[in-house]
Amino acid sequence: GQSLEQPSEVTAVEGAIVQINCTYQTSGFYGLSWYQQHDGGAPTFLSYNGLDGLEETGRFSSFLSRSDSYGYLLLQELQMKDSASYFCAVRDRNTDKLIFGTGTRLQVFP
Amino acid sequence: SAVISQKPSRDICQRGTSLTIQCQVDSQVTMMFWYRQQPGQSLTLIATANQGSEATYESGFVIDKFPISRPNLTFSTLTVSNMSPEDSSIYLCSAGGLSYEQYFGPGTRLTVT
Repeated sequence: GQSLEQPSEVTAVEGAIVQINCTYQTSGFYGLSWYQQHDGGAPTFLSYNGLDGLEETGRFSSFLSRSDSYGYLLLQELQMKDSASYFCAVRDRNTDKLIFGTGTRLQVFP
Repeated sequence: SAVISQKPSRDICQRGTSLTIQCQVDSQVTMMFWYRQQPGQSLTLIATANQGSEATYESGFVIDKFPISRPNLTFSTLTVSNMSPEDSSIYLCSAGGLSYEQYFGPGTRLTVT
């Protein structure tokens, strides 16, 4: 099965940089994805790492190390609108199911 | 990309009744899924809705409680049967294809009294 652990909450101030970690135990997956979910909203896709290394998309970057069973989402130049929950997720190689991490609630303060 | 709509957006139901949630995708998709999310919690996969065959349920979820239909490549329904207050949650429909990105509907907020 798949198990993905994240810190439950992270706080930061506007303009700062924050890193949200994801450690996983999995029997096989295609890649690590990150989703953002605002309160009352639907999860929306942020980024994907199919290979080890860093992927950058604007203010957001994501990293994967399969050898360390670890990934992270890096948010730069934080804005108030970044306050949301963030989930890492893996797609199971055998079933194509998307399995979500425990989730991290990010609060950005002025 | 795919745009997903769900009906109803929210409902308050009495214990022992059933509610059917509809999910419509604006394009044909290979995979459709149903998730449950308690407020402040992560998403838990209920089942994979298979077109033309029975849904595949995750551990802890059974067809008698959560019957699912998927008559075509753009539509699915999830029924929450014989509801109890423990079924109060947000139910999310999701769709994905061959790419790594998965799309989600806005969710159905269910309260069982």
